[in-house]
Amino acid sequence: QVQLQESGPGLVKPSETLSLTCAVSAYSISSTYYWGWIRQPPGQGLEWIGSIYHSGTAYYNPSLKSRVTMSVDTSKNQFSLKLSSVTVADTAVYYCARCVYGRHKVVQDYWGQGTLVTVSS
Amino acid sequence: QSVLTQPPSVSAAPGQKVTISCSGSNSNIGNNYVAWYQQLPGTAPKLLIYDNNERPSGIPDRFSGSKSGTSATLGITGLQTGDEADYYCGTWDSSLSAVVFGGGTKLTVL
Repeated sequence: QVQLQESGPGLVKPSETLSLTCAVSAYSISSTYYWGWIRQPPGQGLEWIGSIYHSGTAYYNPSLKSRVTMSVDTSKNQFSLKLSSVTVADTAVYYCARCVYGRHKVVQDYWGQGTLVTVSS
Repeated sequence: QSVLTQPPSVSAAPGQKVTISCSGSNSNIGNNYVAWYQQLPGTAPKLLIYDNNERPSGIPDRFSGSKSGTSATLGITGLQTGDEADYYCGTWDSSLSAVVFGGGTKLTVL
């Protein structure tokens, strides 16, 4: 069964860059799936950040696109998220997930446990 | 505000049936498949329904999904206290070029 595990700093200062990594186990990241990030501010709903294919093709949420960079490291079977110029509004639990893309659909079928990132000075 | 609209909360007694609605538009639900996710307290979301009405392996048939026009519905029968969770609908929005979610519905099993 696919397993995903997020890692990275739990505290980031305003204006700095948030960096997270998602390690994938029991499945090759070079398969025919996309790999994505979703976040959830405390007490709020889900927000899609973006998805990336092992080739590097990526789709980003237009509302975050100017600040988001995703990358894939196939040698380590992991993928990463960078979110620049963070503010307190970026405080959230960040989830990584495996994504099924198809004609007229995108589905997150496996999720990591999530990691809380707090933006504070 | 979320692109997809869900009721903030629903409730029902154990053993009863409940439905959760998800309303959108032609650019999302109307022309794309809908998925539903269950988020138990303090845990990550879990895929419950995909392609409008398909259940992943291991999801009991007490959970069902349907879609009509620009709205989708999640149904849960034989409610159990363990079903208390937040439920989210999600789909692709062709105009926004983004995955969109509903605001979530909190299910209380009284």
